[in-house]
Order: sequence, then structure tokens, then C-alpha cells
Amino acid sequence: DVKVTQSSRYLVKRTGEKVFLECVQDMDHENMFWYRQDPGLGLRLIYFSYDVKMKEKGDIPEGYSVSREKKERFSLILESASTNQTSMYLCASSRASGGYYNEQFFGPGTRLTVL
Amino acid sequence: AQSVTQLGSHVSVSEGALVLLRCNYSSSVPPYLFWYVQYPNQGLQLLLKYTSAATLVKGINGFEAEFKKSETSFHLTKPSAHMSDAAEYFCAVARDYKLSFGAGTTVTVRA
Repeated sequence: DVKVTQSSRYLVKRTGEKVFLECVQDMDHENMFWYRQDPGLGLRLIYFSYDVKMKEKGDIPEGYSVSREKKERFSLILESASTNQTSMYLCASSRASGGYYNEQFFGPGTRLTVL
Repeated sequence: AQSVTQLGSHVSVSEGALVLLRCNYSSSVPPYLFWYVQYPNQGLQLLLKYTSAATLVKGINGFEAEFKKSETSFHLTKPSAHMSDAAEYFCAVARDYKLSFGAGTTVTVRA
């Protein structure tokens, strides 16, 4: 059974803290993604990685950075958490070969609250 | 720029009734379109996708969607709603290897 796992389901942090969200996939996928999900806004892409050590900004990268040192792991970093980063964060992965219509597989999400 | 618009943030249906979720796309090229479902406290999973092979696409759990170029639409339907269909549904369009999602439609099913 294919799987994308995220390190925490729920996380509470304080303003100014450095926050790490981890994502691991076991499908040997080349592409990995970080989204944030907010009511009424759907999912918005934060960052995308198409290979180890390669990354590309998404639609809302401000205040975030990412790291991909191994193919199966993609980390989202909030350098200095702020209250407006309180949200649900979803990780996804997909194959690169075959074209633009490859299915993305999602993790269960991390609900981050910044106080 | 490719984007999708979902009409209606909430839909309430009776068990056994038709489910109709609306999605319109904006794309300058033939689009790749998707419907994903998110059950409570879970990540998203793929319901179906349109890749230009056929305009009527069948997905999992009895859902289907029809691509209509003249209307720039990709509406999702299910003939008979089940209580287990209560979830949030997202329409999405491919932008290179990325997806651009609509705002989502929450479906509630009344017994």
C-alpha cells in the first residue's frame, strides 16, 4: 500500500519559533509538494521539489523554506513562525515520468497552530 | 494562467439523491483536470482525472465527470448519494507537474 506520512498530525508552536514539518514517501517518486489548506481557499502550493536538492517556489513561498536531502524525504521549514501560518499543511508526491497528469498522493496533513 | 472555479462551497443532499458538484476551468491549452476527495481527518485522494482520452470519465465510488469544452466545465456527479460520500471535494487543473486547486465543496448527506 503506497504511503505518504507526515511527522505530526497536530503541532502547537509559539510565535518566532523555528518549525520543521517532515514528509516521507515510500513510492520512489521524483516529485514532492508542500501545500497549505485554508477554509474557502482550497490548497495552495508552497514549494515543489522535482529531484534531490532541487526545489521550485510555488504560489505562496514567503515565510517558508524547504529541504530535500534524500529522495523520499521533503521537509518544510518555518524559519520564524507567525500566527498567520496557522493552517493545515499537506504533503504530496507523484511520479515524474508519464506527463503532467500523474496522480498526486497525499499525506494525512499536519494541523499547525501558532500562538 | 490555468485555474479552476468551484461553484458552491456547500452542498446538502438527501441519501439516494443525485450529487452534482460544479467546476469550471480557465485554460489556454487543453487541460488535464482532476477531482480529489478529502474525508474527515484525512489527506486527499484521487476520484478521477481527465486526460483527453474520453469526455466522460468514470472514477471510484460511483462518481463520474464530463468534460465539456464548449462550457469549459468538468462537473462531478453521482446518481445516488450515500452517507459515506460526506466529504470535501476539490477540482484541480494541472500546471506542468503541479496542481492548481479550487476552493473546495463540502458535501453533507441527510438521512
